[in-house]
Amino acid sequence: GEDVEQSLFLSVREGDSSVINCTYTDSSSTYLYWYKQEPGAGLQLLTYIFSNMDMKQDQRLTVLLNKKDKHLSLRIADTQTGDSAIYFCDSGGYNKLIFGAGTRLAVHP
Amino acid sequence: GAVVSQHPSRVICKSGTSVKIECRSLDFQATTMFWYRQFPKQSLMLMATSNEGSKATYEQGVEKDKFLINHASLTLSTLTVTSAHPEDSSFYICSARGQLSEAFFGQGTRLTVV
Repeated sequence: GEDVEQSLFLSVREGDSSVINCTYTDSSSTYLYWYKQEPGAGLQLLTYIFSNMDMKQDQRLTVLLNKKDKHLSLRIADTQTGDSAIYFCDSGGYNKLIFGAGTRLAVHP
Repeated sequence: GAVVSQHPSRVICKSGTSVKIECRSLDFQATTMFWYRQFPKQSLMLMATSNEGSKATYEQGVEKDKFLINHASLTLSTLTVTSAHPEDSSFYICSARGQLSEAFFGQGTRLTVV
């Protein structure tokens, strides 16, 4: 069945880069997504990548996709305290929307 | 952009009562909506997939008689927690996919059963 796995926790110093990784099994989708959940709130779309691309840059965010290995990563440059949140990846699939545990990013001074 | 609205955002109910949570797609039609429960350790557990005009598909281990899902229109799905108990206290989130298959989420409902 479909499965998504992420590391649970990442701690970085303010100003450093953060890299959040995700592996997935369902590779049939056109787009893959990253969502951000701030404390006590719902999830919001952060960024996405077309499945035929291997990299997408969006300001401080860089998404890398390795379709062969079914590996998706999110790099946040110059990480700020406002980036502290839980990040979920989504491998798409219209009729299914399964998340892994999410990665909690903690940014410290 | 597409918006999914979820209500209420917080509810406190007495043990044994039922609580209804609404999830609306405000500017798009959602034939499929998803209901999640988020546990304190952050993981989002898919409870069920709500299909407009048909019965919901429940994930293994989720009691369909306890968590009633109704998807009567293309813009509204409801989750009713029946005979709620303190262990049902949790954060419940709904979601629907937009035209590009990106997911839009409700604001979540914090249910506390006392």
